[in-house]
Amino acid sequence: GAVVSQHPSRVICKSGTSVKIECRSLDFQATTMFWYRQFPKQSLMLMATSNEGSKATYEQGVEKDKFLINHASLTLSTLTVTSAHPEDSSFYICSAREGGDQPQHFGDGTRLSIL
Amino acid sequence: AQSVTQLGSHVSVSEGALVLLRCNYSSSVPPYLFWYVQYPNQGLQLLLKYTSAATLVKGINGFEAEFKKSETSFHLTKPSAHMSDAAEYFCAVSPFQGAQKLVFGQGTRLTINP
Repeated sequence: GAVVSQHPSRVICKSGTSVKIECRSLDFQATTMFWYRQFPKQSLMLMATSNEGSKATYEQGVEKDKFLINHASLTLSTLTVTSAHPEDSSFYICSAREGGDQPQHFGDGTRLSIL
Repeated sequence: AQSVTQLGSHVSVSEGALVLLRCNYSSSVPPYLFWYVQYPNQGLQLLLKYTSAATLVKGINGFEAEFKKSETSFHLTKPSAHMSDAAEYFCAVSPFQGAQKLVFGQGTRLTINP
């Protein structure tokens, strides 16, 4: 089956630090990757959609300069939280899809804690 | 625009009992519907999907869901609950078969009592 690997699984860092999260499709080429944010006991909120080789499309209310997304290859997308603050603490989940009528496959998420 | 409402943020059943998780959708175009399961501190795993081929959809782990257009529903069921079914379940809708953009419901936490 399609496997999406997300790394790291947990990050704890000081306020003001920039944090990079990687999302890799291990056994398929992902034409589209998605980044979600999930607050405790809540649903997933789509942050942005990225297609390989083009700029990400951000959802309304998501700061582009705060959450930098790069989708440089068909198997890798990265989310960088720049100058992170405690309010950025959350569970971030990526997903990837191959294209056509294929569904999204999700990574295991990254729990980000900013002190 | 699409939206999903999951009735009941928390459902508790006994082991061996029927599991019923409710999902109603709103869509201006024929929808594609999905159920995902999330275990603690993990991502989402696809249970099943409706893509207009058949109204009764069978998924993994013994789950199934029935698409009812007249009721705009896509409820998830399992005849006999297992302790391992305890998790968070999300219903999602997409206007595209390829799930280009998913809109998730609020989620339902399923608890299984021994």
